[in-house]
Amino acid sequence: EAGVTQSPTHLIKTRGQQATLRCSPISGHTSVYWYQQALGLGLQFLLWYDEGEERNRGNFPPRFSGRQFPNYSSELNVNALELEDSALYLCASKWRGGDTQYFGPGTRLTVL
Amino acid sequence: GDSVTQMEGPVTLSEEAFLTINCTYTATGYPSLFWYVQYPGEGLQLLLKATKADDKGSNKGFEATYRKETTSFHLEKGSVQVSDSAVYFCAALGNQFYFGTGTSLTVIP
Repeated sequence: EAGVTQSPTHLIKTRGQQATLRCSPISGHTSVYWYQQALGLGLQFLLWYDEGEERNRGNFPPRFSGRQFPNYSSELNVNALELEDSALYLCASKWRGGDTQYFGPGTRLTVL
Repeated sequence: GDSVTQMEGPVTLSEEAFLTINCTYTATGYPSLFWYVQYPGEGLQLLLKATKADDKGSNKGFEATYRKETTSFHLEKGSVQVSDSAVYFCAALGNQFYFGTGTSLTVIP
């Protein structure tokens, strides 16, 4: 069974640009979570999607947004990129009745 | 509100030493508790979990026991190896997932 996949692996952008990151959950999982892991820091919760709806968001500005598609894959958009947005962005998925998140390998975003 | 607090790192141990990484939680009710491991350049992998008081999760020689009375879920391993060098995250599932800040472990030969 395939795990959580994320694309691209690496993304390089310049300040002010927009970045789009993608996540495909494990088959059968309906919840997708997004986290930001900046260098030397822990995981900061960004967004939670379940059944196509945004269920919760962390303490991030509105330029961080996303959506979940009917096939449960998800997209994270970051507008007006700033240097401090450089980080590893991790996606995790969970089965609706389960209690365990399964993580993808992450997308390394670098803002120059 | 709910939260997870884990031991600050970094931790450096010699091979075959005993490892303890402390984790305590604050939550209403009885959350499921997890330890995740992140190897260099990778995402997080589930290491072990426990879903109720006195449960012991174990995997790859690592163990952690759900202690309701002390609201703790400390990670232990009797004899660490160089390959255990990674960042370890404690997490709790209450109304949402809460992660600790991570503890970096380096094991030297």
